Amino acid sequence: AQKITQTQPGMFVQEKEAVTLDCTYDTSDQSYGLFWYKQPSSGEMIFLIYQGSYDEQNATEGRYSLNFQKARKSANLVISASQLGDSAMYFCAMRDVDAGNMLTFGGGTRLMVKP
Amino acid sequence: GAGVSQSPRYKVTKRGQDVALRCDPISGHVSLYWYRQALGQGPEFLTYFNYEAQQDKSGLPNDRFSAERPEGSISTLTIQRTEQRDSAMYRCASSPDRGRDEQYFGPGTRLTVT
Repeated sequence: AQKITQTQPGMFVQEKEAVTLDCTYDTSDQSYGLFWYKQPSSGEMIFLIYQGSYDEQNATEGRYSLNFQKARKSANLVISASQLGDSAMYFCAMRDVDAGNMLTFGGGTRLMVKP
Repeated sequence: GAGVSQSPRYKVTKRGQDVALRCDPISGHVSLYWYRQALGQGPEFLTYFNYEAQQDKSGLPNDRFSAERPEGSISTLTIQRTEQRDSAMYRCASSPDRGRDEQYFGPGTRLTVT
C-alpha cells in the first residue's frame, strides 16, 4: 500500500522569499512517479511538476523545483521568489505504476503568501 | 486546445435520487480517471478506464457507484440512491498514455445531497 504524508497543514511565507513544502512517501515499488499539484481557491487542480523515481536530477519548472531524496523517500516542493498568486493548497501525489497509474494524494498544505 | 470538462459544475439533489456526472476528457487521451475530494482533503481514486475498458474500480465505495466510458471518450459516473455522505467534489482526469504522463484534471462537479 502506498502512503503520502504532508506534515504541514498550513504555512506562511513572505512575498519574494522561497518556501519548501514537505512531502514524504512510502512504497515498496521501484518504479513510481511523484507529482505536485496546486489548487487555488477557484478549485481547479493545476499540475506543477513531476519527478520519476529513476530520474537522477531534481525536476525544475520555472520557479518550482522538486528536492528529491530517494533514500529518505522525500519529494519536497521548493517555490522560489513567492508571489501573492502562489497562495493556494498544494498536493503531493504518487503514481502507482503497477496498479494502473492512479494517483495517491497527500492531505495537502495550505500556503499563504504575505505581502 | 480544450481541457477536461465536467458537467454539471454543481448538483444539488435530494437523498435517494440518482445522479449522473459527466466527464469529457482531452481529445485523444487514452486514460480517464475518476476521483472524489472531500473538503480540505486530497482527491481519492475511484475508478479508471483505458479507452472504453474499465481497468480498476477498486476505489468505488459501494455498489451504488458505477461508471462507464462506452466509446472510449466521454465518461459518466452514476450514483444511485444518493446519501448525504456522498456529498463531495467529484473530479475527472485524463492522461494521454495510460497515465504515464501527468494527469490533467477537470474543474470538478460539486455534489450536495440534502
